[in-house]
Amino acid sequence: AQTVTQSQPEMSVQEAETVTLSCTYDTSESDYYLFWYKQPPSRQMILVIRQEAYKQQNATENRFSVNFQKAAKSFSLKISDSQLGDAAMYFCAYSDYKLSFGAGTTVTVRA
Amino acid sequence: EAGVAQSPRYKIIEKRQSVAFWCNPISGHATLYWYQQILGQGPKLLIQFQNNGVVDDSQLPKDRFSAERLKGVDSTLKIQPAKLEDSAVYLCASSSDETGVAGNTIYFGEGSWLTVV
Repeated sequence: AQTVTQSQPEMSVQEAETVTLSCTYDTSESDYYLFWYKQPPSRQMILVIRQEAYKQQNATENRFSVNFQKAAKSFSLKISDSQLGDAAMYFCAYSDYKLSFGAGTTVTVRA
Repeated sequence: EAGVAQSPRYKIIEKRQSVAFWCNPISGHATLYWYQQILGQGPKLLIQFQNNGVVDDSQLPKDRFSAERLKGVDSTLKIQPAKLEDSAVYLCASSSDETGVAGNTIYFGEGSWLTVV
């Protein structure tokens, strides 16, 4: 079974600053997808960004960008210009035919 | 476009009692998922349906959990009898399979919070 590891249980960032969340995964597949989901206290999972493994170019969505290192099986998320609304739990997820999540990183934003 | 609907939002039951959760996916979505999320952990897939057939139920505790998706639309997840360790949020999700199963954007409901006392 594929495993997803998020080594940072908590991260804190000053408003307007940048924070990077790390994620590593284990797979023997060559074709798969990677995701970052945001989960606010309401518990509804919201897709932040998606990366296709066969694409070398790193995905970007507004203030969110990833650093995808396929050989290293690493998939980090960078949040630029952090806003108070970014405070949430962030989950890294891997999918070939089944979506598997890491344990999550809690992000707090200091005003 | 209406999102994934779940009910009830909150449920408190005693151990050994039964409970059922209902999910209505986004219209036209062929794939439906049930995830269990225990506090402080990431969601764990319990069961995945493609239309009304089961694709994956390898992590569903079949001695006490059951799920069905009649007519390939709504789904019900049942727990009987409940244990204390079943306390969790049960998330339903759906996807349209336009890009193949792996690359789908999966849309989640707000979850059903279960407390077993």
